[in-house]
Amino acid sequence: KAGVTQTPRYLIKTRGQQVTLSCSPISGHRSVSWYQQTPGQGLQFLFEYFSETQRNKGNFPGRFSGRQFSNSRSEMNVSTLELGDSALYLCASSFRDRSDTQYFGPGTRLTVL
Amino acid sequence: DQQVKQNSPSLSVQEGRISILNCDYTNSMFDYFLWYKKYPAEGPTFLISISSIKDKNEDGRFTVFLNKSAKHLSLHIVPSQPGDSAVYFCAAIFPGGSQGNLIFGKGTKLSVKP
Repeated sequence: KAGVTQTPRYLIKTRGQQVTLSCSPISGHRSVSWYQQTPGQGLQFLFEYFSETQRNKGNFPGRFSGRQFSNSRSEMNVSTLELGDSALYLCASSFRDRSDTQYFGPGTRLTVL
Repeated sequence: DQQVKQNSPSLSVQEGRISILNCDYTNSMFDYFLWYKKYPAEGPTFLISISSIKDKNEDGRFTVFLNKSAKHLSLHIVPSQPGDSAVYFCAAIFPGGSQGNLIFGKGTKLSVKP
């Protein structure tokens, strides 16, 4: 079974630009979550989508948004990029319930110059 | 405010010995805890979990212990192997929450020396 895939793997943007990251979950998984990893803050939860609806949201500004499509693929968008948005953005998918293991993709490394 | 804390950024252990990674949490509402392992350039991989109704869960070389009164959990790896060298994250879930909404610690980098 193919794992969680994320595109692109690496991205360089400048301040003020916007960026869209993509995540394809494991086939059959309906929950997709996004996390930001930085050296200072560790892994922080951004949001979770389930069946095209945002189920949970972390404590991030409105510049961070996401969506999920009917095939469970998800996109994350960051508008008006700031230097502090430089991070590894990880996507994870799970089947449905809280007991279902979550599987992470390799991440997208975003650098904001 | 960090609700899940891993106070040791790094740990070095000799191959064959026990590795003990610690995690403290501040919110007594958490009812499910997990450990993930992360290699460079890869996403975290689930290792082991424990429900708050238990105090121990074992899976092969990995055992997680939960002390609710102390709001503390630990991961024991016995025996440690060089391939265990990675960053280990502790994570927690609120009641009603899912594994899609994990509160992570900042991680502990484990180095197992041959």
